[in-house]
Amino acid sequence: GAVVSQHPSRVICKSGTSVKIECRSLDFQATTMFWYRQFPKKSLMLMATSNEGSKATYEQGVEKDKFLINHASLTLSTLTVTSAHPEDSSFYICSARRDSRAGELFFGEGSRLTVL
Amino acid sequence: AQKITQTQPGMFVQEKEAVTLDCTYDTSDQSYGLFWYKQPSSGEMIFLIYQGSYDEQNATEGRYSLNFQKARKSANLVISASQLGDSAMYFCAMRGASVGSQGNLIFGKGTKLSVKP
Repeated sequence: GAVVSQHPSRVICKSGTSVKIECRSLDFQATTMFWYRQFPKKSLMLMATSNEGSKATYEQGVEKDKFLINHASLTLSTLTVTSAHPEDSSFYICSARRDSRAGELFFGEGSRLTVL
Repeated sequence: AQKITQTQPGMFVQEKEAVTLDCTYDTSDQSYGLFWYKQPSSGEMIFLIYQGSYDEQNATEGRYSLNFQKARKSANLVISASQLGDSAMYFCAMRGASVGSQGNLIFGKGTKLSVKP
């Protein structure tokens, strides 16, 4: 089946630093990828839609300058949390949409960010 | 407005028995898709099953089946012969023409399934 790899799976950083999370589709091309944030015991909240070769579309309330998204190729999207603060600590999950009848999304393994 | 409702925060089932996880949805779209995902404690989201709004037959994938009742706007997941490895969070999700221009999903709050030995 389709595989989406997300890296790193865990990262701990100091407040004020920036962290980059990568999302790769390993065996299919993904024109569109999505970034979600999940709080403990909560559902996934869509942060932004990442489109290859164009600017990402952010959901209401998500700071564009805080969460930088780059979708430079059909297999790679990156999320950079800039000037991270403790409140940015969360579980971030990416997904890639495969072109098919169902258009199903395949998810990465998730990245747990802890900001000290 | 698009909405997914999962009314069971937690469910218990005995190993080898069947269990039904409820999901209702609200949409004004004529064409939409319904998905179920499993999220084990590791955090990854695993695609289980898909049902299109125009599919006449209920979707089945191995031990998973989707009880699709369009008039009631429900898309319950049925897991037959539960296994200990089925213990996880289960999310119902929907994609429709108006759910974002790129067809992203909206998720329910999830149901935590615990399988007892």
